[in-house]
Amino acid sequence: DAKTTQPPSMDCAEGRAANLPCNHSTISGNEYVYWYRQIHSQGPQYIIHGLKNNETNEMASLIITEDRKSSTLILPHATLRDTAVYYCIVRVANVDNQGGKLIFGQGTELSVKP
Amino acid sequence: ETGVTQTPRHLVMGMTNKKSLKCEQHLGHNAMYWYKQSAKKPLELMFVYNFKEQTENNSVPSRFSPECPNSSHLFLHLHTLQPEDSALYLCASSQDLAGGPLGEQFFGPGTRLTVL
Repeated sequence: DAKTTQPPSMDCAEGRAANLPCNHSTISGNEYVYWYRQIHSQGPQYIIHGLKNNETNEMASLIITEDRKSSTLILPHATLRDTAVYYCIVRVANVDNQGGKLIFGQGTELSVKP
Repeated sequence: ETGVTQTPRHLVMGMTNKKSLKCEQHLGHNAMYWYKQSAKKPLELMFVYNFKEQTENNSVPSRFSPECPNSSHLFLHLHTLQPEDSALYLCASSQDLAGGPLGEQFFGPGTRLTVL
């Protein structure tokens, strides 16, 4: 699985959009970009994933560059409860029902401030 | 509430004790995982089970012994642990090894283990 690079920390004002970047320059053609987050002392929570098209769900939007070497997770209206560590992970998925491991890096610690 | 429960939530044990961590998933999933999260370190995958069979052991010391009696339950038996084994132990499950339609894993809240 490819490695990812994320800034160690970011701040965001409550109510504003939080844009979390991720670099994955060695991503392979069959690898998806996944985002999870981990609120303090809880287990990680799936947010969103994508292959090459932009994706949106009730939690966030995922913007993947055309060359797929980087992506941005957008929380459109951040709240205090969005304070967490956000992990960007690339992995193979749905290949012969095996998939790839979730390899967690250090992630980005997002602090949403009033 | 993710549908994955872990007990106990907190555990303090001596180096000579034997204890077990329990994980139960109510999602009908077939794959289950143990992860370790030490302070200031990324999550580390320890074991993977698929349809009750162990498919992965990431060079975990033998003082950690997993058991998967059925697809809904996963245990981690602990004996003669060291202080450096103190960490948050997380259990996760997924529909299959690929993770199902979304490729996602569902995590429990974790057991905070302290080894004295």
